[in-house]
Amino acid sequence: QVQLKESGPGLVQPSQTLSLTCTVSGFSLTDYSVHWVRQPPGKGLEWMGRIQSGGSTDYNSALKSRLSISRDTSKSQVFLKMNSLQTEDTAIYFCTRGPNWGQGTLVTVSS
Amino acid sequence: DIVMTQGALPNPVPSGESASITCQSSKSLLYSDGKTYLNWYLQRPGQSPQLLIYWMSTRASGVSDRFSGSGSGTDFTLKISRVEAEDVGVYYCQQFLEFPRTFGSGTKLEIK
Repeated sequence: QVQLKESGPGLVQPSQTLSLTCTVSGFSLTDYSVHWVRQPPGKGLEWMGRIQSGGSTDYNSALKSRLSISRDTSKSQVFLKMNSLQTEDTAIYFCTRGPNWGQGTLVTVSS
Repeated sequence: DIVMTQGALPNPVPSGESASITCQSSKSLLYSDGKTYLNWYLQRPGQSPQLLIYWMSTRASGVSDRFSGSGSGTDFTLKISRVEAEDVGVYYCQQFLEFPRTFGSGTKLEIK
């Protein structure tokens, strides 16, 4: 069945770069888009961006200057990189494909 | 960006009663293909969001028929019939007509 799982560092220092991996199974990245969504603790959902089945990307304009999404289809992995992190980037980060969501990974930005 | 505005519920809702959650978009989500590009999600406490409804009124696989979606191009309603304890959580509407995809701020459902 379709599964997505996020992984990455739980703690990132301010001004540093966040690197997250979404490992998928049950489908091919060349057939479906994968999106990233984040949720600050106790707050709502924010769509960050996606990588399409063909490899092109779309980003939230509010994050575009700091955000990059890429993939390795041979490993069934999608990557998120975001630079210049600040405390307001503290959130649970989810990867999703259609109705399927990962469990999310909490990233805390703190020194 | 399309702004999604959700209404509040008169919590707590008595178990077995119905609850209706409203959502309004700043731009029509009705596309020329005749489909309305609106999703509804439920996020239970401590869990990832679960897709309930897509294309405004189509239930996702495995979703109870107690959930129904309706609306026009800009005004939408998620109705929950006979609310149960497992319905507790925060409900979000989301438009997927344009980028960036945008969510409403969420509507919390509590059960009495």
